[in-house]
Amino acid sequence: AQSVTQPDIHITVSEGASLELRCNYSYGATPYLFWYVQSPGQGLQLLLKYFSGDTLVQGIKGFEAEFKRSQSSFNLRKPSVHWSDAAEYFCAVGIRGKLIFGQGTELSVKP
Amino acid sequence: EAGVTQFPSHSVIEKGQTVTLRCDPISGHDNLYWYRRVMGKEIKFLLHFVKESKQDESGMPNNRFLAERTGGTYSTLKVQPAELEDSGVYFCASSQVATLSSYNEQFFGPGTRLTVL
Repeated sequence: AQSVTQPDIHITVSEGASLELRCNYSYGATPYLFWYVQSPGQGLQLLLKYFSGDTLVQGIKGFEAEFKRSQSSFNLRKPSVHWSDAAEYFCAVGIRGKLIFGQGTELSVKP
Repeated sequence: EAGVTQFPSHSVIEKGQTVTLRCDPISGHDNLYWYRRVMGKEIKFLLHFVKESKQDESGMPNNRFLAERTGGTYSTLKVQPAELEDSGVYFCASSQVATLSSYNEQFFGPGTRLTVL
């Protein structure tokens, strides 16, 4: 069965530090991959997506993610975290029109 | 342009009561999705409308849940009768016309937090 795993439920980083959020998926074919972010009181906002081509994709707010087929991973990165990045982050796989989400990773940012 | 809106933002009901959640998609979006997040769990797909037709309702938990999308515009999700395990956040999303082999971005609403006591 298709699934998405985000192994880190909660991560705390210092402002200005680099960030990597992990995502692994289980799917037999080439996946459509997404990262969404949810800030308090807001809906989910798409950060970036991977469909095909270059395995390093750039998104909004300075985020990027790298698709690694051999590791079934799609990790999200940011070189320097800002306090406004504190939110919950969701990795998802798109299959036949619907999204299958991971459990989410809550990011806290220390001053 | 207005985003996806959901009403109410929060609902507290007692077990056995009925609740109706509403979603207004972005104007012109034919695809409408419902998802649910139970506390501590992942966001799970419930169903997908294309215009007024149910394309995929494989995620609906049981027959206490009824979703409608009359006229292909807004959608309602009714839970009747509500049970304790129905508590969670219900998200609605919409997207433009898509095919099975392509994806358009799904735009999400802020969610309705349902608490069943």
